[in-house]
Amino acid sequence: DGGITQSPKYLFRKEGQNVTLSCEQNLNHDAMYWYRQDPGQGLRLIYYSQIVNDFQKGDIAEGYSVSREKKESFPLTVTSAQKNPTAFYLCASSIGTGEAFFGQGTRLTVV
Amino acid sequence: GESVGLHLPTLSVQEGDNSIINCAYSNSASDYFIWYKQESGKGPQFIIDIRSNMDKRQGQRVTVLLNKTVKHLSLQIAATQPGDSAVYFCAEWYGNAGNMLTFGGGTRLMVKP
Repeated sequence: DGGITQSPKYLFRKEGQNVTLSCEQNLNHDAMYWYRQDPGQGLRLIYYSQIVNDFQKGDIAEGYSVSREKKESFPLTVTSAQKNPTAFYLCASSIGTGEAFFGQGTRLTVV
Repeated sequence: GESVGLHLPTLSVQEGDNSIINCAYSNSASDYFIWYKQESGKGPQFIIDIRSNMDKRQGQRVTVLLNKTVKHLSLQIAATQPGDSAVYFCAEWYGNAGNMLTFGGGTRLMVKP
């Protein structure tokens, strides 16, 4: 089935650790996005990528890093510099003109 | 910076009634506006979109209206059903900013049986 897959669904991080969230799509989409969602809030853009080996910062990129070495993959690393990383993280992909398809999200908790 | 915004409300409607969810935006250069539905613990799902050169678009039980004069977007759901209960987000996409898709704050729709 075509789609976008995020893993893991739940992730626990100790303070001071870096963690990487996986996002894979087989929709042949050029554009991919990472969003953060806090409880009862909207989606805030962390990073986005239009094409392989290129990405841009969104509104809240501090404390996060990404790579786009393959078209299908856009992993997000939450670094120790992110002071409040507990949130729901959503990855999306699109053909580049509007409609984006979302994964089911990763819920990250700092313990 | 410019952004899409919703004053987050919770909209409560009776099953079978029509629902109207509103969104105000500020970036007049956006190319597309999109409505998403998000159920608890899941990723958002596309509902309907509208290009900036249109003022109305209809789907199955849903209609999106775009008023560029006042920078307002609305989603109308006909004959609202319990399965429509979710949080609804509007989003805007603009290619001049490098294909950036930004979201508003969301409206929670609650359907009373």
